[in-house]
Amino acid sequence: DIVLTQSPLSLPVTPGEPAAISCRSSQSLLYSNGLNFLDWYVKKPGQSPQLLIYLASYRASGVPDRFSGSGSGTDFTLKISRVEAEDVGVYYCMEALHTPPITLGQGTRLEIK
Amino acid sequence: QEQVVESGGGPVKPGGSLRLSCSVSGFRFRDYYISWFRQAPGKGLEWISYISSGGNTIAYAESVRGRFAISRDNAQNSVHLQMSSLRVEDTAVYYCARYRGSFYEYYGIDVWGQGTTVTVSS
Repeated sequence: DIVLTQSPLSLPVTPGEPAAISCRSSQSLLYSNGLNFLDWYVKKPGQSPQLLIYLASYRASGVPDRFSGSGSGTDFTLKISRVEAEDVGVYYCMEALHTPPITLGQGTRLEIK
Repeated sequence: QEQVVESGGGPVKPGGSLRLSCSVSGFRFRDYYISWFRQAPGKGLEWISYISSGGNTIAYAESVRGRFAISRDNAQNSVHLQMSSLRVEDTAVYYCARYRGSFYEYYGIDVWGQGTTVTVSS
């Protein structure tokens, strides 16, 4: 099974400051077509999970451009260029190779200082 | 509007059964895989099952294998999750969500339902 390890698990950030979350995979998520099958989601309080980034670096529709994803193989990063109050929530990376079991990281709780 | 809507949650006693449904609208249902996820109180998101667009590929998490059964009805635009032998630790909000299952046409799990709550308690 693929294991995804996120860090940090807690991320207090001052509004307007940048933030970064790391996701490390126990196996390469680079597929033979050159795409990295790693997604980022956020679970905000009282809301359903929301897709932020798919295939490591593609921003989902409607996601602000302050969110960006990077990485390849086993190391990935989600960056927020300027954190806003509405970004509070728990951020998850998830492997998208969809070879069961589908695994998610432990989650990173972003809070506003 | 593309959406998925869960239903069927509620209270149930340990050992009991419950059937969750996921109804979709606004998109071509037969083109998409459907997954079920859950989030137990105070815990992270957990994937529990998926079914392929044609219904011929099914997978379960170890935590529910042998107790839960997923099925889909493409004519009715719905997916069902039959849950049996329920345990206290199955208490969670259950979400269904859609995605393209192809390695050459994948855009993330981009539509999620609002969730339905299952509470297993004596």
